[in-house]
Amino acid sequence: DAGITQSPRHKVTETGTPVTLRCHQTENHRYMYWYRQDPGHGLRLIHYSYGVKDTDKGEVSDGYSVSRSKTEDFLLTLESATSSQTSVYFCAITPDRGNTEAFFGQGTRLTVV
Amino acid sequence: GENVEQHPSTLSVQEGDSAVIKCTYSDSASNYFPWYKQELGKRPQLIIDIRSNVGEKKDQRIAVTLNKTAKHFSLHITETQPEDSAVYFCAANSGGYQKVTFGIGTKLQVIP
Repeated sequence: DAGITQSPRHKVTETGTPVTLRCHQTENHRYMYWYRQDPGHGLRLIHYSYGVKDTDKGEVSDGYSVSRSKTEDFLLTLESATSSQTSVYFCAITPDRGNTEAFFGQGTRLTVV
Repeated sequence: GENVEQHPSTLSVQEGDSAVIKCTYSDSASNYFPWYKQELGKRPQLIIDIRSNVGEKKDQRIAVTLNKTAKHFSLHITETQPEDSAVYFCAANSGGYQKVTFGIGTKLQVIP
């Protein structure tokens, strides 16, 4: 497996609190992504990064922010968690050459109560 | 942006039969079409991909076909086995920066 890990793996948080999920890679890849997975919706892109300090929004970015201060770390922050953000979150990386396989982290199951 | 539609959402087949999952996409500029398999509780993993300069690609019991004119592509699994039971996602790239848009997934159940 590609060197990509997510933390935490599970988290329960209260509505209105901020939450940060971490994605760490050891592959030195330029591209990193955050997805959420929900039944009936597949995998939806939240934010992605194409380099240190270079990020952009995906299709479901409202209520989320990201930061990438180092090549190896991509952080996803839920600014004020809501129950609709209960989901499984996956980080992914792709090699720098164009349009190739994405390698996913193990996922983080987040429950907002 | 790209829109990927996938069907069926669930599929049950007898062991040894074939399974076909179909996807359509909207962006005529898309040129990369991967398929991922996700076993229960696991991460998605690539099983096969196809690029727009190829009409068909095979890897043992798995094949993917692409019709660029009609903007649809399909996954074919032959001689299905219980270990093929999983959720399968199709995807298509969109825009720059290697973004892909995923379909909603197909839950395949292979009945022994």
